[in-house]
Amino acid sequence: KQEVTQIPAALSVPEGENLVLNCSFTDSAIYNLQWFRQDPGKGLTSLLLIQSSQREQTSGRLNASLDKSSGRSTLYIAASQPGDSATYLCAVRLGQNAGGTSYGKLTFGQGTILTVHP
Amino acid sequence: EPEVTQTPSHQVTQMGQEVILRCVPISNHLYFYWYRQILGQKVEFLVSFYNNEISEKSEIFDDQFSVERPDGSNFTLKIRSTKLEDSAMYFCASRFSGRAGQPQHFGDGTRLSIL
Repeated sequence: KQEVTQIPAALSVPEGENLVLNCSFTDSAIYNLQWFRQDPGKGLTSLLLIQSSQREQTSGRLNASLDKSSGRSTLYIAASQPGDSATYLCAVRLGQNAGGTSYGKLTFGQGTILTVHP
Repeated sequence: EPEVTQTPSHQVTQMGQEVILRCVPISNHLYFYWYRQILGQKVEFLVSFYNNEISEKSEIFDDQFSVERPDGSNFTLKIRSTKLEDSAMYFCASRFSGRAGQPQHFGDGTRLSIL
């Protein structure tokens, strides 16, 4: 059974710092990995999707890397801002099932609560 | 930008009552999902739906739960006889197609409170 773990559970940094959030998963046979942002009481906003064949993806100040063989992904946030304060979730999608079809079920970590203070 | 919409945003229901949570996925998406998040816990997969049938479900998704796509645009989750432990945030998600791993897009959720 796939287990996804995120560390740290919470992180508080001053504005302007670069930071790294970590995600690990137990089953390396993943199809892809998705990073989300969740604001309090809100839904999940997709930030980045990394396919299993990729090593990294970038969007603005965000960079996500994937080391599939070791079961790890990191989300790097450059020059953090107070508006980046949120919970960051990683989720993995397993590879094709025995029938050759993957329906896309995501398994989530518990999230990292990020606070960026001015 | 197209988005997944969910209604209502908050539903309060007496234990034992039936509840229907509604979702309008992104219009050209083919795969649909329900997840839930109990307060303070991880987001958990409930069910996936493709080609008008359930494609996968978790052990949480027992006989009290059902899903339907009644009219080609809405996607609903029904809980027949709610229990206190059904209190959670319920998220609907949709995805474009199976090729090359498209991202799942989530709605803002329905907060379900069982009294």
